Amino acid sequence: QKEVEQDPGPLSVPEGAIVSLNCTYSNSAFQYFMWYRQYSRKGPELLMYTYSSGNKEDGRFTAQVDKSSKYISLFIRDSQPSDSATYLCAMNLQGGSEKLVFGKGTKLTVNP
Amino acid sequence: SQTIHQWPATLVQPVGSPLSLECTVEGTSNPNLYWYRQAAGRGLQLLFYSVGIGQISSEVPQNLSASRPQDRQFILSSKKLLLSDSGFYLCALYRYGYTFGSGTRLTVV
Repeated sequence: QKEVEQDPGPLSVPEGAIVSLNCTYSNSAFQYFMWYRQYSRKGPELLMYTYSSGNKEDGRFTAQVDKSSKYISLFIRDSQPSDSATYLCAMNLQGGSEKLVFGKGTKLTVNP
Repeated sequence: SQTIHQWPATLVQPVGSPLSLECTVEGTSNPNLYWYRQAAGRGLQLLFYSVGIGQISSEVPQNLSASRPQDRQFILSSKKLLLSDSGFYLCALYRYGYTFGSGTRLTVV
């Protein structure tokens, strides 16, 4: 079993839809969880950074962590065509640890 | 704010040719720097990281090497490229999550 599993998609939704992106992981010691957005031919950019279980909201984006299920989610409300990108989850053992384990990314297309 | 510069953006090289990719950082000093490779369907793979000048750690044995001749400069090299070296190469620094450069898309033909 891979450490981090992420459905590669592709996922195609109409503009305005609620998008749910998910990752599962096997190492229960992971504590810090991140979501990155990567536009085509660009480097990933950090979108959300969360610690342990719970929700974190930033504008139209909500990151959710369920450590008991080893499951993290990113929700995008009122999705826009500009949200079309690949979304990667990442996690590590300690906040200061720089060795992140990445998911392979989910490609999202939001159609106008 | 910290900025990472990477060049070139795109590179097509023949098998057996040498490689040199450069990454420079602005807006921070003594950063920890990283080289990642992103291959289609394989996600992000950590290749090298450096905690200071002349200090390089390799995560996977391979055809590549890295050097850090200056505090804010990180170089990825190869003496002879293989087809399997094709991919998207990203330089990054870490501070509560990674800041990535814009990447170099390398195609070995």
